[in-house]
Formats: sequence, C-alpha cells, structure tokens
Amino acid sequence: AQTVTQSQPEMSVQEAETVTLSCTYDTSENNYYLFWYKQPPSRQMILVIRQEAYKQQNATENRFSVNFQKAAKSFSLKISDSQLGDTAMYFCAFMKRRSGSQGNLIFGKGTKLSVKP
Amino acid sequence: EPEVTQTPSHQVTQMGQEVILRCVPISNHLYFYWYRQILGQKVEFLVSFYNNEISEKSEIFDDQFSVERPDGSNFTLKIRSTKLEDSAMYFCASGERATNTGELFFGEGSRLTVL
Repeated sequence: AQTVTQSQPEMSVQEAETVTLSCTYDTSENNYYLFWYKQPPSRQMILVIRQEAYKQQNATENRFSVNFQKAAKSFSLKISDSQLGDTAMYFCAFMKRRSGSQGNLIFGKGTKLSVKP
Repeated sequence: EPEVTQTPSHQVTQMGQEVILRCVPISNHLYFYWYRQILGQKVEFLVSFYNNEISEKSEIFDDQFSVERPDGSNFTLKIRSTKLEDSAMYFCASGERATNTGELFFGEGSRLTVL
C-alpha cells in the first residue's frame, strides 16, 4: 500500500520570501505520478504542479517548483516570491500510473501555509 | 472554465438518517470519485466510478455507502444510515481519461454534520 507523509502541519513565510514544503512517500511501484494540490480557505482543491516518476527533470510552474528525489522517495515543493494568495492548505498526493485509465489519489495530511505581509 | 460543482455545501442530519450528496462533474470527464476528509485528518479515497460501475473502492466504502450516476450528469453519494463518524467534508472529483495526465478536478466539498 502507498503512503504519503507531510511532516509539517503548519508553516508560515513572509511575503516575497521562499518556502519549501516537505513530502515523502512510500511505494513499491515504479510508474506513478506525484502532485501538489492547493486548497485555499473554503475553496476547492486545485492542482499546483505534477511530476511523472519516470521523468528525472524536476517540474516547474512559474513560482512553483519541485525537488523530486525518486530514490529517497521525496517530493518537496518550493514556492518562490510568496504571495498573500498562496495562503492555503497544501496536499501532497500520489497516484499509481495505469495505462489508459485513471488511478486514485493517495493524499498526505496537508501543510497549512500562511503568507504574512 | 468548467468546474465540478457539489450540493449541498453543508448538511446537518440526525444519526440514522439517509443522506444524498450530489455532484456535477466536468462534462467530458469519464472518471468520477468521492473522497472524504474528517476534520483534522487526511483526505481519504472512498470510491471511483467509470463506465457506470464502481471501478475501485476503499475499506471505508462499506454497505452503508452507494454511488449512482442517474442521469448522465449528476454523480451522487448516498449514505443509507448515517453514523456520528460519517461527519466529514466530502469531495467529489472527476478525471479525463483521454489525456491520462492523472490530474483530478475537485469540487468545493459538502460538509456533512451528523448529530
């Protein structure tokens, strides 16, 4: 069975600073996806960034980037130039890759990020 | 931009009552999911649905739970006889098979309070 662990329940960062959220996972699978989802207060979860396990290059999306260490089963999220709108709960998630179909997401407990002005 | 919508946003019910939570997934999506999040705990997978049948379910999804896609647009989760421990936020999600990106699109959730 897959597990996802986020060891930081809460974090805070000053506006314009950089913050890194940690995530580790455990799986025996070789082919999978990893995700970071963001859930602003009272809003739905939205995808921040996605990494395919077979790709060595770390994914980036504007101010968001990941440090994917497959051997260590680590998948951290770096947010650069933090903005007030980044305040949210961040969930790390794992999905086993299946050819031609969708799997289901296994989530971590989340990290509550507060960006302070 | 298309989005997943859920109703009701909040429902309060008495223990033992039946509850139906409704979801309208994104129209061209083929995979549908229910997840739940008990306060302070992680988001947990309940069930996935594809081609008008359950494709996978977790241990949480026991005989008290059922899902249905009655009219080709709505996707419902029914809890037959609610228990106190069913109090949680329930999230619906949908996914598009064609891209096989793994990305799921979530609704805002339905908060269920069982008294």
